[in-house]
Amino acid sequence: GQNIDQPTEMTATEGAIVQINCTYQTSGFNGLFWYQQHAGEAPTFLSYNVLDGLEEKGRFSSFLSRSKGYSYLLLKELQMKDSASYLCAARDSNYQLIWGAGTKLIIKP
Amino acid sequence: GAVVSQHPSRVICKSGTSVKIECRSLDFQATTMFWYRQFPKQSLMLMATSNEGSKATYEQGVEKDKFLINHASLTLSTLTVTSAHPEDSSFYICSASAGDVELFFGEGSRLTVL
Repeated sequence: GQNIDQPTEMTATEGAIVQINCTYQTSGFNGLFWYQQHAGEAPTFLSYNVLDGLEEKGRFSSFLSRSKGYSYLLLKELQMKDSASYLCAARDSNYQLIWGAGTKLIIKP
Repeated sequence: GAVVSQHPSRVICKSGTSVKIECRSLDFQATTMFWYRQFPKQSLMLMATSNEGSKATYEQGVEKDKFLINHASLTLSTLTVTSAHPEDSSFYICSASAGDVELFFGEGSRLTVL
């Protein structure tokens, strides 16, 4: 079956760096997405990886290893506003998104 | 960037009534829109894929007669929860794609059925 695994919750300190891991098993692969979702709000797009390697976008970076079925989202210089859930989603051969349950990130001062 | 607008953001209704939620792509044409449901502390659950001018494709376990989806134009899809019950209370989110990569989400609609 198809599956996405990511930690349920993580805690980090303001100004620090945190890495949120995601492993996936899908029927075929057409890209890995990361979304940010604040409580009570809809998700917002953060990143998209389809080739192996690191994609950097400001304070956020996303990494993909297709051979390992693995991705991570790296958040640098953490700010209190980064407290949110981070959703990992993989797109399968039918271009359907398979969603992880999300990682709740708690930022402490 | 592309914007998807969803309305209403919050709705409270009595059990047995029907509720309609609208999803509009404001600055692009969306041939496909997606409807999700999200329960507290859980991930998005795809309910159905809505294609303009054709019947929606429902995911397994989603009652098509209860969750009516209409995609009448390239910028509007509607979800109607018919004969709503308290267990239908949830956060409903629509999304649309302007291309091959990015999905744009509406603001979400929180439905509370009393």
